[in-house]
Amino acid sequence: EPEVTQTPSHQVTQMGQEVILRCVPISNHLYFYWYRQILGQKVEFLVSFYNNEISEKSEIFDDQFSVERPDGSNFTLKIRSTKLEDSAMYFCASSALLAGSYNEQFFGPGTRLTVL
Amino acid sequence: GQQLNQSPQSMFIQEGEDVSMNCTSSSIFNTWLWYKQDPGEGPVLLIALYKAGELTSNGRLTAQFGITRKDSFLNISASIPSDVGIYFCAGQPMYSGGGADGLTFGKGTHLIIQP
Repeated sequence: EPEVTQTPSHQVTQMGQEVILRCVPISNHLYFYWYRQILGQKVEFLVSFYNNEISEKSEIFDDQFSVERPDGSNFTLKIRSTKLEDSAMYFCASSALLAGSYNEQFFGPGTRLTVL
Repeated sequence: GQQLNQSPQSMFIQEGEDVSMNCTSSSIFNTWLWYKQDPGEGPVLLIALYKAGELTSNGRLTAQFGITRKDSFLNISASIPSDVGIYFCAGQPMYSGGGADGLTFGKGTHLIIQP
């Protein structure tokens, strides 16, 4: 069964460093998303991406965040200058362009980001 | 932003018991989804609901989209040990543009099953 994959599974970085989190969405999906989950809290939406541009972003997704689809398979989230409060699980998700089912977002296993 | 109130926050039940949890919102949603998350893993989609009043089953799981479009419930019948985890409701508000919009998640229901 197709699934969303994410690398790395765990990233440790120093405050102020740049990190890139990588995702490979399900191959026939056209909508891509990033979410984060601070330990013990709910999942929070960051950004959605369709047709090579940002479709929607939340208040969390400020200028230090950016997303990119560098090729036909990868979808990346970059954090330019990490802060301690960026420590969280980051989930990539994707959904298909099918009438009535486009909101069915499938999540990857996540990348645990630890900022020291 | 949008807020989903999910209850109960946690449930301690005996194996074999039925489980019920729900989500409510102050605004109308056009989609309700239920996810399960195991420790250290990503949310796994259980059921998706698109129409007010819709009742959908997936094995021992049953979910309904409330008539008012402001609530949804999830029932699990005859619970088994592998049902342990955190269950999240998630929705997309009525005003949203559709496919590429983010989901709003509830805070989760921790299900703990005692053998």
